[in-house]
Amino acid sequence: NAGVTQTPKFQVLKTGQSMTLQCAQDMNHEYMSWYRQDPGMGLRLIHYSVGAGITDQGEVPNGYNVSRSTTEDFPLRLLSAAPSQTSVYFCATHRHNEQFFGPGTRLTVL
Amino acid sequence: TQLLEQSPQFLSIQEGENLTVYCNSSSVFSSLQWYRQEPGEGPVLLVTVVTGGEVKKLKRLTFQFGDARKDSSLHITAAQPGDTGLYLCAGASGNQFYFGTGTSLTVIP
Repeated sequence: NAGVTQTPKFQVLKTGQSMTLQCAQDMNHEYMSWYRQDPGMGLRLIHYSVGAGITDQGEVPNGYNVSRSTTEDFPLRLLSAAPSQTSVYFCATHRHNEQFFGPGTRLTVL
Repeated sequence: TQLLEQSPQFLSIQEGENLTVYCNSSSVFSSLQWYRQEPGEGPVLLVTVVTGGEVKKLKRLTFQFGDARKDSSLHITAAQPGDTGLYLCAGASGNQFYFGTGTSLTVIP
């Protein structure tokens, strides 16, 4: 089992560009989430989903969109990237008080 | 926003020493988790505590959940270089998890 996978691992964007960060899981967990990690601030929840077709906002949702068409996939979209979105992004699944994280995507917006 | 404060933010100790990391909040959580994260990787779950006053032991690591379920501590006995990493606490409230600011631990051989 691959667990939680994320692509790409690294990405550099120019201000105003759009892109999608991919997240996939093979653990059949209903709950998935996206976090960003910035120095000195821990992980902050961007969006989460409790099942296919259901998404909700977390602590820092502005500038990001998500959709959940299948249990396995939970992509995160940046419609118009800004330098403030430079960060490391983690996707996670959750079941029974346990979260399982992907390896992360390091995004730089110039 | 529910804020979890961790202390200390940075800790550098010699191999064999003991240490305690604290995770404090003014909010009540249904459960609290501790993770360790290594550079370039995602956090990995160490333990989940659910009941106020609960104590869990994982080899040389002891985790305690406060009676009021607002705070937690992580104690490491006889630290080893392999314990080096970023330690994160996270509180569960409803469908959301709120992470602490992290404690970066370095164990010097």
